[in-house]
Amino acid sequence: DAGVIQSPRHEVTEMGQEVTLRCKPISGHNSLFWYRQTMMRGLELLIYFNNNVPIDDSGMPEDRFSAKMPNASFSTLKIQPSEPRDSAVYFCASSLGGWDTQYFGPGTRLTVL
Amino acid sequence: DAKTTQPPSMDCAEGRAANLPCNHSTISGNEYVYWYRQIHSQGPQYIIHGLKNNETNEMASLIITEDRKSSTLILPHATLRDTAVYYCIGLTQGGSEKLVFGKGTKLTVNP
Repeated sequence: DAGVIQSPRHEVTEMGQEVTLRCKPISGHNSLFWYRQTMMRGLELLIYFNNNVPIDDSGMPEDRFSAKMPNASFSTLKIQPSEPRDSAVYFCASSLGGWDTQYFGPGTRLTVL
Repeated sequence: DAKTTQPPSMDCAEGRAANLPCNHSTISGNEYVYWYRQIHSQGPQYIIHGLKNNETNEMASLIITEDRKSSTLILPHATLRDTAVYYCIGLTQGGSEKLVFGKGTKLTVNP
């Protein structure tokens, strides 16, 4: 298995632009997680899906952030409009179910100028 | 989930065993101890987990004290590639709490 796949690996954009991050979980995994990592705040959970349904989105910073999982093999995290404080590394992870062992992707490094 | 305490940093010589401690004095009876690590510029990587028995896999060994208030992750023969931040996390399998990454221990393996 190729593991969790994220794209793009790096994204540089200007403030106000829309950003879409993509994730393909490991085949057969039922749960998907989006995390954000910054030096100041460390690694924090943004949203968690189980069987394509959002279960916990309490970590989503504000309405500018939205996440979807249209099917079991694809999820997106969208930021519109983006702001410089959104600059971070965004990780996607998947697991067989729930909070069991999670497998992380390589991350997307987002820079908002 | 159980609150865990880890030293902020440790050093280890290449080829020697690296013993990373974790205190989890408030752990409940059904909370597992999970270890993840994050190598620079990569996503976190699962290492091992256990409930009360000692566990071993191809990456590491996990020793949990009998009272389950602390544990030690052992990398038997540390290599330079084991330099990373190691996170100890308490979690109930199938529970509703989140996987919370604290500050972890920055392990530096020196040549």
